[in-house]
Amino acid sequence: GQQVMQIPQYQHVQEGEDFTTYCNSSTTLSNIQWYKQRPGGHPVFLIQLVKSGEVKKQKRLTFQFGEAKKNSSLHITATQTTDVGTYFCAGRGSGGGADGLTFGKGTHLIIQP
Amino acid sequence: DTGVSQDPRHKITKRGQNVTFRCDPISEHNRLYWYRQTLGQGPEFLTYFQNEAQLEKSRLLSDRFSAERPKGSFSTLEIQRTEQGDSAMYLCASSLPRTGNNYGYTFGSGTRLTVV
Repeated sequence: GQQVMQIPQYQHVQEGEDFTTYCNSSTTLSNIQWYKQRPGGHPVFLIQLVKSGEVKKQKRLTFQFGEAKKNSSLHITATQTTDVGTYFCAGRGSGGGADGLTFGKGTHLIIQP
Repeated sequence: DTGVSQDPRHKITKRGQNVTFRCDPISEHNRLYWYRQTLGQGPEFLTYFQNEAQLEKSRLLSDRFSAERPKGSFSTLEIQRTEQGDSAMYLCASSLPRTGNNYGYTFGSGTRLTVV
């Protein structure tokens, strides 16, 4: 079945440094979504990418979808303490029919003062 | 309608007992999903409804698990003969139909199940 892998599992950064998490799928995706989960909270939808090579920005966050639609990345510029949490990518296969998203294991962002 | 509601928030049960969780989605959302999340892992897909029809079930959903959405509104997830391995956070999510470019899930706060 479809697998979605994320690296790194943990990332420690100093406040103000940049952060990037990478997502790779074993199969071609029809789209990819990104979610953020704060400690003790539930996943919150950030964005969806659909087109090959798509790049979207939300303030300090930049999301990219690979040309082959098998990988994606999230980059945060100048991290702030409010960015703490786990970032998940979630993909939907391109085979049609199946609608459930497959989530990666997430990247835990830890910000050191 | 402030979001997806799940009840109860926490459930402790003895091994072998049956438990039932409830999810009330956002009223305009016709799609409803159940996921399971264990510590340090991403959510794992369990099942999905479009209105009252259960359209997809994961291999993770053993015979002890059953989900319903009888009127296309709220949903229940029942686990029979609970096992310690069922201990997890059970998340419900809802969404609009797959139209537009920013279609995402709205998750509830989850039901944390502990089987002792």
